[in-house]
Amino acid sequence: DTGVSQNPRHKITKRGQNVTFRCDPISEHNRLYWYRQTLGQGPEFLTYFQNEAQLEKSRLLSDRFSAERPKGSFSTLEIQRTEQGDSAMYLCASTRGFEQFFGPGTRLTVL
Amino acid sequence: QKEVEQNSGPLSVPEGAIASLNCTYSDRGSQSFFWYRQYSGKSPELIMFIYSNGDKEDGRFTAQLNKASQYVSLLIRDSQPSDSATYLCAVNAGGSEKLVFGKGTKLTVNP
Repeated sequence: DTGVSQNPRHKITKRGQNVTFRCDPISEHNRLYWYRQTLGQGPEFLTYFQNEAQLEKSRLLSDRFSAERPKGSFSTLEIQRTEQGDSAMYLCASTRGFEQFFGPGTRLTVL
Repeated sequence: QKEVEQNSGPLSVPEGAIASLNCTYSDRGSQSFFWYRQYSGKSPELIMFIYSNGDKEDGRFTAQLNKASQYVSLLIRDSQPSDSATYLCAVNAGGSEKLVFGKGTKLTVNP
């Protein structure tokens, strides 16, 4: 257990629905990352925050995706109008220096 | 395109043997290099990181970095069945905080 928590752990939704995931990082870590991982691939970067500021977004993060980190604590990742291609494991990581520690992930299945 | 390539595997070794995992990267600006272990259905777990050319040892694990050849490797000595997992190589994208991952190499240690 790295101390990074994510909720929910599993989410099944129907195409077209909106979903929101939450990440609680290790309390003293000020940087938080979101990645997406599909079967047989390594994690792909989506976005990251330093405190409450979103500093970088991947081109993978379409207009349907939005992330927030109010008050620089927990973060949420929302996907609007989900598509079957959004099915993946969504991973959150918080950092000490350059070392990123991952939470358990949220597995999303879009039917 | 910043890429990280890993030997495709799968790699199978007998218990007690040395497992050798290899990774090359394309971005010469990369400064930090990581090895993650990922068990099936779980999130990646950081096992080694290296920043300087040469070797870094931690227990049964040794990471090797050669920046001139853009090559990182992980040696696992006295391999155990519990080492059976997918090993992910990750490199920080030069000038960015994000990690770029390879697809991973699946290792099986046979009793």
